[in-house]
Amino acid sequence: DIQMTQSPSSLSASVGDTVTINCRASQGIRSDLAWYQQKPGKAPRRLIYSASHLADAVPSRFSGSGSGTQFSLTITSLQPEDFATYYCLQHHGHPPDFSFGQGTKLEIK
Amino acid sequence: QVHLAQSGPEMKKPGASVTVSCVTSGYTFSSYTLHWVRQAPGQGLEWLGWMNTYNYNKNCARKFQDRLVLTVDPSTATAYMKLTGLSHDDTAVYFCARESVGTTDMNYWGQGTPVVVSS
Repeated sequence: DIQMTQSPSSLSASVGDTVTINCRASQGIRSDLAWYQQKPGKAPRRLIYSASHLADAVPSRFSGSGSGTQFSLTITSLQPEDFATYYCLQHHGHPPDFSFGQGTKLEIK
Repeated sequence: QVHLAQSGPEMKKPGASVTVSCVTSGYTFSSYTLHWVRQAPGQGLEWLGWMNTYNYNKNCARKFQDRLVLTVDPSTATAYMKLTGLSHDDTAVYFCARESVGTTDMNYWGQGTPVVVSS
Protein backbone atom coordinates (compact mmCIF):
# COMPACT_ATOMS: atom_id res chain seq x y z
CA ASP A 1 0.00 0.00 0.00
CA ILE A 2 1.15 3.53 -0.75
CA GLN A 3 1.55 5.76 2.30
CA MET A 4 1.28 9.54 2.13
CA THR A 5 3.21 11.64 4.62
CA GLN A 6 1.90 15.19 4.84
CA SER A 7 3.63 18.10 6.57
CA PRO A 8 3.27 20.19 8.57
CA SER A 9 0.30 18.90 10.56
CA SER A 10 -0.61 22.48 11.46
CA LEU A 11 0.36 25.89 10.26
CA SER A 12 -0.30 29.39 11.55
CA ALA A 13 -0.29 32.29 9.10
CA SER A 14 -1.72 35.76 8.53
CA VAL A 15 -3.96 37.12 5.79
CA GLY A 16 -1.74 38.00 2.84
CA ASP A 17 0.95 35.42 3.64
CA THR A 18 2.14 32.64 1.34
CA VAL A 19 2.17 29.08 2.70
CA THR A 20 3.32 25.71 1.37
CA ILE A 21 2.08 22.26 2.38
CA ASN A 22 3.97 19.13 1.41
CA CYS A 23 3.13 15.49 0.72
CA ARG A 24 5.59 12.68 0.22
CA ALA A 25 4.55 9.31 -1.25
CA SER A 26 6.16 6.06 -0.08
CA GLN A 27 6.69 5.12 -3.73
CA GLY A 28 6.45 6.89 -7.04
CA ILE A 29 2.95 7.88 -8.06
CA ARG A 30 3.74 9.95 -11.18
CA SER A 31 1.27 12.86 -11.02
CA ASP A 32 -1.64 10.88 -9.57
CA LEU A 33 -2.26 13.32 -6.74
CA ALA A 34 -5.04 15.71 -5.79
CA TRP A 35 -5.37 18.37 -3.09
CA TYR A 36 -8.54 19.03 -1.11
CA GLN A 37 -9.73 21.75 1.23
CA GLN A 38 -12.13 20.91 4.03
CA LYS A 39 -13.99 23.23 6.36
CA PRO A 40 -15.65 22.06 9.60
CA GLY A 41 -18.84 20.11 9.03
CA LYS A 42 -18.43 20.14 5.25
CA ALA A 43 -17.37 17.66 2.60
CA PRO A 44 -13.93 18.12 1.05
CA ARG A 45 -13.56 20.34 -2.00
CA ARG A 46 -11.05 19.48 -4.72
CA LEU A 47 -8.55 22.24 -5.41
CA ILE A 48 -5.86 20.62 -7.56
CA TYR A 49 -5.86 17.50 -9.71
CA SER A 50 -3.06 15.63 -11.47
CA ALA A 51 -0.61 17.33 -9.08
CA SER A 52 -0.64 20.73 -10.75
CA HIS A 53 -3.94 21.42 -12.50
CA LEU A 54 -6.34 23.90 -10.95
CA ALA A 55 -9.85 22.52 -10.50
CA ASP A 56 -12.89 24.42 -11.75
CA ALA A 57 -13.79 27.62 -9.90
CA VAL A 58 -10.68 27.48 -7.70
CA PRO A 59 -8.87 30.82 -7.31
CA SER A 60 -5.49 31.13 -8.99
CA ARG A 61 -3.76 31.82 -5.64
CA PHE A 62 -3.80 28.03 -5.20
CA SER A 63 -1.14 26.06 -7.06
CA GLY A 64 0.28 22.55 -6.97
CA SER A 65 3.60 21.11 -8.03
CA GLY A 66 5.61 17.92 -7.95
CA SER A 67 5.68 14.44 -9.40
CA GLY A 68 6.98 11.03 -8.40
CA THR A 69 7.18 11.13 -4.61
CA GLN A 70 7.30 14.83 -3.63
CA PHE A 71 4.38 17.22 -3.96
CA SER A 72 3.48 20.69 -2.74
CA LEU A 73 0.42 22.89 -2.45
CA THR A 74 1.13 26.61 -2.29
CA ILE A 75 -1.38 29.29 -1.37
CA THR A 76 -0.31 32.86 -2.08
CA SER A 77 -1.89 35.98 -0.64
CA LEU A 78 -3.94 34.08 1.95
CA GLN A 79 -7.57 35.15 2.27
CA PRO A 80 -9.77 34.72 5.36
CA GLU A 81 -11.76 31.95 3.65
CA ASP A 82 -8.58 29.89 3.11
CA PHE A 83 -8.24 28.98 6.78
CA ALA A 84 -9.24 25.32 6.72
CA THR A 85 -7.74 21.84 6.69
CA TYR A 86 -5.97 20.57 3.58
CA TYR A 87 -5.43 16.98 2.45
CA CYS A 88 -3.50 15.32 -0.34
CA LEU A 89 -4.89 12.20 -1.99
CA GLN A 90 -2.91 9.73 -4.08
CA HIS A 91 -4.80 7.62 -6.62
CA HIS A 92 -2.11 5.62 -8.36
CA GLY A 93 -2.24 2.20 -9.97
CA HIS A 94 -4.35 -0.04 -12.18
CA PRO A 95 -6.82 -0.42 -10.64
CA PRO A 96 -5.99 2.61 -8.55
CA ASP A 97 -5.36 2.43 -4.85
CA PHE A 98 -6.20 5.48 -2.76
CA SER A 99 -4.81 7.04 0.39
CA PHE A 100 -4.99 10.47 2.00
CA GLY A 101 -2.31 12.41 3.77
CA GLN A 102 -2.88 13.08 7.47
CA GLY A 103 -4.04 16.64 6.84
CA THR A 104 -2.72 20.15 7.54
CA LYS A 105 -4.76 22.54 9.63
CA LEU A 106 -4.17 26.11 8.49
CA GLU A 107 -5.00 28.55 11.26
CA ILE A 108 -5.07 32.30 11.37
CA LYS A 109 -2.25 33.93 13.33
CA GLN B 1 -26.10 19.41 -11.85
CA VAL B 2 -24.42 16.48 -10.14
CA HIS B 3 -25.83 15.74 -6.70
CA LEU B 4 -25.16 13.00 -4.17
CA ALA B 5 -27.68 12.72 -1.33
CA GLN B 6 -26.87 10.41 1.58
CA SER B 7 -29.11 8.75 4.14
CA GLY B 8 -29.53 10.12 7.62
CA PRO B 9 -27.63 9.68 10.90
CA GLU B 10 -27.29 6.23 12.40
CA MET B 11 -26.69 4.97 15.91
CA LYS B 12 -25.60 1.36 16.32
CA LYS B 13 -24.39 -0.98 19.04
CA PRO B 14 -21.01 -2.70 18.88
CA GLY B 15 -21.12 -5.81 16.74
CA ALA B 16 -24.00 -4.55 14.60
CA SER B 17 -23.91 -3.54 10.93
CA VAL B 18 -24.76 -0.24 9.29
CA THR B 19 -25.85 0.53 5.75
CA VAL B 20 -25.49 4.01 4.27
CA SER B 21 -27.11 4.93 0.96
CA CYS B 22 -26.04 7.50 -1.62
CA VAL B 23 -28.66 8.60 -4.16
CA THR B 24 -27.07 10.19 -7.21
CA SER B 25 -28.54 12.51 -9.84
CA GLY B 26 -27.52 14.83 -12.64
CA TYR B 27 -25.35 12.41 -14.63
CA THR B 28 -25.30 8.91 -16.12
CA PHE B 29 -24.94 6.63 -13.10
CA SER B 30 -22.98 3.89 -14.86
CA SER B 31 -20.33 6.25 -16.20
CA TYR B 32 -18.43 7.02 -12.98
CA THR B 33 -16.95 5.06 -10.11
CA LEU B 34 -18.27 5.81 -6.65
CA HIS B 35 -16.06 5.94 -3.57
CA TRP B 36 -16.62 5.79 0.18
CA VAL B 37 -14.53 7.84 2.60
CA ARG B 38 -14.89 8.30 6.33
CA GLN B 39 -13.75 10.80 8.95
CA ALA B 40 -13.64 9.98 12.66
CA PRO B 41 -14.28 12.88 15.06
CA GLY B 42 -11.38 15.32 14.95
CA GLN B 43 -9.42 13.05 12.61
CA GLY B 44 -8.42 13.00 8.96
CA LEU B 45 -10.00 11.48 5.88
CA GLU B 46 -9.79 7.72 5.39
CA TRP B 47 -10.54 6.04 2.06
CA LEU B 48 -12.68 2.90 2.41
CA GLY B 49 -13.30 1.59 -1.07
CA TRP B 50 -14.72 2.12 -4.56
CA MET B 51 -17.19 0.45 -6.85
CA ASN B 52 -17.29 0.66 -10.63
CA THR B 53 -20.93 1.31 -11.43
CA TYR B 54 -20.57 -0.08 -14.97
CA ASN B 55 -18.97 -3.50 -14.45
CA TYR B 56 -19.45 -3.75 -10.65
CA ASN B 57 -15.75 -4.27 -10.01
CA LYS B 58 -14.73 -3.04 -6.59
CA ASN B 59 -11.70 -2.49 -4.44
CA CYS B 60 -11.31 -1.57 -0.81
CA ALA B 61 -8.64 -0.69 1.68
CA ARG B 62 -6.95 -3.75 3.12
CA LYS B 63 -8.17 -3.09 6.68
CA PHE B 64 -11.82 -3.22 5.57
CA GLN B 65 -11.70 -6.19 3.22
CA ASP B 66 -13.51 -8.50 5.64
CA ARG B 67 -16.17 -6.02 6.78
CA LEU B 68 -17.05 -3.72 3.87
CA VAL B 69 -19.80 -4.54 1.39
CA LEU B 70 -20.35 -2.18 -1.55
CA THR B 71 -23.38 -2.51 -3.79
CA VAL B 72 -25.32 -0.40 -6.28
CA ASP B 73 -28.87 -0.30 -7.62
CA PRO B 74 -28.68 1.14 -11.15
CA SER B 75 -32.47 1.33 -11.38
CA THR B 76 -32.48 4.03 -8.71
CA ALA B 77 -28.93 5.37 -9.28
CA THR B 78 -28.11 4.53 -5.67
CA ALA B 79 -24.95 3.19 -4.07
CA TYR B 80 -24.83 1.41 -0.73
CA MET B 81 -22.08 0.88 1.79
CA LYS B 82 -22.52 -1.75 4.48
CA LEU B 83 -19.99 -2.05 7.29
CA THR B 84 -20.27 -5.09 9.54
CA GLY B 85 -18.85 -5.95 12.94
CA LEU B 86 -18.97 -2.35 14.16
CA SER B 87 -16.76 -1.16 17.01
CA HIS B 88 -16.47 2.22 18.72
CA ASP B 89 -13.59 2.99 16.32
CA ASP B 90 -16.09 3.01 13.45
CA THR B 91 -17.78 6.13 14.83
CA ALA B 92 -17.31 8.61 12.00
CA VAL B 93 -18.94 10.64 9.27
CA TYR B 94 -19.18 8.51 6.13
CA PHE B 95 -19.06 10.19 2.71
CA CYS B 96 -19.80 8.92 -0.76
CA ALA B 97 -17.91 10.64 -3.55
CA ARG B 98 -18.00 10.44 -7.33
CA GLU B 99 -15.02 9.99 -9.58
CA SER B 100 -13.92 13.06 -11.52
CA VAL B 101 -14.00 13.52 -15.27
CA GLY B 102 -10.65 12.59 -16.81
CA THR B 103 -8.91 11.49 -13.59
CA THR B 104 -9.58 8.84 -10.95
CA ASP B 105 -9.79 11.21 -7.99
CA MET B 106 -13.14 12.46 -6.62
CA ASN B 107 -14.74 15.83 -7.14
CA TYR B 108 -18.39 15.42 -6.15
CA TRP B 109 -19.25 14.53 -2.59
CA GLY B 110 -22.32 13.66 -0.59
CA GLN B 111 -23.14 15.64 2.51
CA GLY B 112 -21.91 12.92 4.87
CA THR B 113 -23.72 10.49 7.16
CA PRO B 114 -22.80 10.45 10.87
CA VAL B 115 -22.58 6.96 12.33
CA VAL B 116 -22.22 6.59 16.08
CA VAL B 117 -21.32 3.23 17.60
CA SER B 118 -22.17 3.17 21.27
CA SER B 119 -23.16 0.56 23.80
